[in-house]
Amino acid sequence: KNQVEQSPQSLIILEGKNCTLQCNYTVSPFSNLRWYKQDTGRGPVSLTIMTFSENTKSNGRYTATLDADTKQSSLHITASQLSDSASYICVVNHNDYKLSFGAGTTVTVRA
Amino acid sequence: DAGITQSPRHKVTETGTPVTLRCHQTENHRYMYWYRQDPGHGLRLIHYSYGVKDTDKGEVSDGYSVSRSKTEDFLLTLESATSSQTSVYFCAISGNSYTDTQYFGPGTRLTVL
Repeated sequence: KNQVEQSPQSLIILEGKNCTLQCNYTVSPFSNLRWYKQDTGRGPVSLTIMTFSENTKSNGRYTATLDADTKQSSLHITASQLSDSASYICVVNHNDYKLSFGAGTTVTVRA
Repeated sequence: DAGITQSPRHKVTETGTPVTLRCHQTENHRYMYWYRQDPGHGLRLIHYSYGVKDTDKGEVSDGYSVSRSKTEDFLLTLESATSSQTSVYFCAISGNSYTDTQYFGPGTRLTVL
């Protein structure tokens, strides 16, 4: 069973609007949680990383939050741009070499 | 793509043939990984390496083997390709700790007919 669940599976937003992606995980314990962005036909690229004790982390228009008590994370995209069209993947790093990947949320930004 | 190249980028092969995918890095990172990505699934680890000649299995290693004879190269071999191995394969690298950020290559799209 996948230990990282993401929602929604996909969404469409208008350019300039905001959106929030959700990630629920059951991995425990873990060393960190990351959000990756994957453009079509390319490998994933790390956006943010949060450890157990961090609640929020920003990278430009991307803001990630983490609630370790409820095992939930979110990624908020502010003032979306066409270049934000991509798949966003939540990744939990176990306390060893292993990563658990969510299946991703596909975001489509329309003009 | 953080100094990572994969070859070939696309390959079509027939069931039963051997296939080798190559990952090459110029970052001198210790850890290297092979993943596969399939629709509806998260990336899944096939094998990883923690140094030259040091490799271990991931969660979906059946039907795959790997070798690492140099720091910069990590090879993934499908001894006898099957249609279930049709997928996109990604190589990743990370530094001196497995908790370091993993940097991914551009991927290889493999189709087994």
